[in-house]
Amino acid sequence: AQSVTQLGSHVSVSEGALVLLRCNYSSSVPPYLFWYVQYPNQGLQLLLKYTSAATLVKGINGFEAEFKKSETSFHLTKPSAHMSDAAEYFCAVSGADKLIFGTGTRLQVFP
Amino acid sequence: GAGVSQSPSNKVTEKGKDVELRCDPISGHTALYWYRQSLGQGLEFLIYFQGNSAPDKSGLPSDRFSAERTGGSVSTLTIQRTQQEDSAVYLCASSPRRVGPNSGANVLTFGAGSRLTVL
Repeated sequence: AQSVTQLGSHVSVSEGALVLLRCNYSSSVPPYLFWYVQYPNQGLQLLLKYTSAATLVKGINGFEAEFKKSETSFHLTKPSAHMSDAAEYFCAVSGADKLIFGTGTRLQVFP
Repeated sequence: GAGVSQSPSNKVTEKGKDVELRCDPISGHTALYWYRQSLGQGLEFLIYFQGNSAPDKSGLPSDRFSAERTGGSVSTLTIQRTQQEDSAVYLCASSPRRVGPNSGANVLTFGAGSRLTVL
């Protein structure tokens, strides 16, 4: 069975600082992995996805994630945080016919 | 339509009442999913429709929950005899085809959700 674990339900950074949101996965088959972002009172929006084409995946708004099979990780990073990045971030893995989501990480950005 | 549309955006109801939540997926998308988002719980899968196949109901938490999809398009999630623990945001998502490792990296497009509050 597939699952994801997001380490840290809350992450706080200063504006301009590095953003690192952690995700570890478990999958019995080569996984497809996703990061979604949810802004207040909105649905989820796709940030990026890993489909085995390249281990470093670039997404929207300057985010990127690196697939590391040896560590079963797919951490999300951004070199310099903006105030507008404050949101909840979800990591997900493809199950047999559905996406399985982590519990989310709420990112706060302080000026 | 251009995106996934959900209604109502907010619903407040009394314990024991029935509620219906509606989802209008992106035109042409054959896969439709319902998820529940409770505070601190992440997204919990509820039910999945794919074309004319029988739905996957494995995530429905009790027999008070049901869903249907008419004409392969609009879906309605019904919660009977609502309880306070049903309070959550109910998210609908659609995809051109089902997601999964054997189906390509199809992406789910989500609606804005229906926030249900049971008093």
